Amino acid sequence: AQSVTQPDIHITVSEGASLELRCNYSYGATPYLFWYVQSPGQGLQLLLKYFSGDTLVQGIKGFEAEFKRSQSSFNLRKPSVHWSDAAEYFCAVGAGGGKLIFGQGTELSVKP
Amino acid sequence: DAGVIQSPRHEVTEMGQEVTLRCKPISGHDYLFWYRQTMMRGLELLIYFNNNVPIDDSGMPEDRFSAKMPNASFSTLKIQPSEPRDSAVYFCASSPAGGGTEAFFGQGTRLTVV
Repeated sequence: AQSVTQPDIHITVSEGASLELRCNYSYGATPYLFWYVQSPGQGLQLLLKYFSGDTLVQGIKGFEAEFKRSQSSFNLRKPSVHWSDAAEYFCAVGAGGGKLIFGQGTELSVKP
Repeated sequence: DAGVIQSPRHEVTEMGQEVTLRCKPISGHDYLFWYRQTMMRGLELLIYFNNNVPIDDSGMPEDRFSAKMPNASFSTLKIQPSEPRDSAVYFCASSPAGGGTEAFFGQGTRLTVV
């Protein structure tokens, strides 16, 4: 069965520090992978997505993610975090027919 | 386009009452999804439609939940009767196609059943 695991429930980083949020997936075929961000009281906004091709994907707000098939991972990175990046981040895998299976989310706090 | 529009944004109701959540997808999108978000279970897909037809409702928790999509621009999620454990944020999302295309989310309806 398809699944997504985000091992870190909560991460705190200092403003200006680098960030890496982990995501592991389980899927039988070549996956469609997504990262969404959710600010408090808001819906989910797409940061980036991977379908095929270059395994390093660039997204909005300076985020990038790297697809590693051998590790079944799709980790999200940002070289320098801003206070406005504090939010909850969700990794998801496309499960066919447009369905998305989400991980449990990682809450990011940013220290000044 | 204004994006996916959900109403109401907040709903407080008493146990046993009927609750109806509404969604207007982005025009031209063929897929519509209803998700539920709770602390315990995260984001769960309840049901999704393709061209107004329900495709997969395996995520609907109980018969108390029902969803309809009478036309391409409107969908409802109904809970009757509501229970306190139904308290959650309910999201509607739409997508122009299936497969790996992006889903666009509404801002959600926060439901509290007391």
